[in-house]
Amino acid sequence: QVQLQESGPGLVKPSQALSLTCTVSGGPITSGSYYWSWIRRPAGKGLEWIGRVYTSGSTSYNPSLKSRLTISLDTSKNQFSLKLSSVTAADTAVYYCAREQWPSAGVFDYWGQGTLVTVSS
Amino acid sequence: QSVLTQPPSASGTPGQRVTISCSGSSSNIGDNTVTWYQQFPGTAPKLLISRTNQRPSGVPDRFSGSKSGTSASLAISGLQSADEADYYCATWDDSPNAVVFGGGTKLTVL
Repeated sequence: QVQLQESGPGLVKPSQALSLTCTVSGGPITSGSYYWSWIRRPAGKGLEWIGRVYTSGSTSYNPSLKSRLTISLDTSKNQFSLKLSSVTAADTAVYYCAREQWPSAGVFDYWGQGTLVTVSS
Repeated sequence: QSVLTQPPSASGTPGQRVTISCSGSSSNIGDNTVTWYQQFPGTAPKLLISRTNQRPSGVPDRFSGSKSGTSASLAISGLQSADEADYYCATWDDSPNAVVFGGGTKLTVL
């Protein structure tokens, strides 16, 4: 059974970088054909796709976040990570990591429980 | 503002059939399959329907999906109080090459 778990600071100051890690258990992150994705949900709003990394290491990003975003894979630790720079209050949200089926874009079959990140001084 | 348009709310009584719509365009729903998610407060979204009308193992057949042109629908028959949740549609958008979500529909069972 695949399980995902987000970790990282729950509070980030404005203008700083937000960094989160997703640890995958239940199988190698390089096994099969999957994207490893990040999605967020701001309070009172809907879901927003942030971006993804493929098992090869190639990435796709939401154009609205692309200039501030880096998603990477660490196969030795079975983890993938998110770094979002120059954050503002608008980046406050619950952040989820998820496994996305390839090539069925948008099909997220396993999710982490989510972690709340608040941007505030 | 979401790329895919969903009604903010929907409601029904136990046993009824309700549908939730998801409207898009030729670059997203019109050209790709649609996925539906169910989310309860404080929990992660759950995959409900994939590839427009495929139910993952464990999802009751009371849930069904369909698509026509640039719109998709989620139908829930035999409505139960346990179905009270937020529902999201999602798909790939060829322009701007991104996964896009609907704004979500809050389903209330009266």
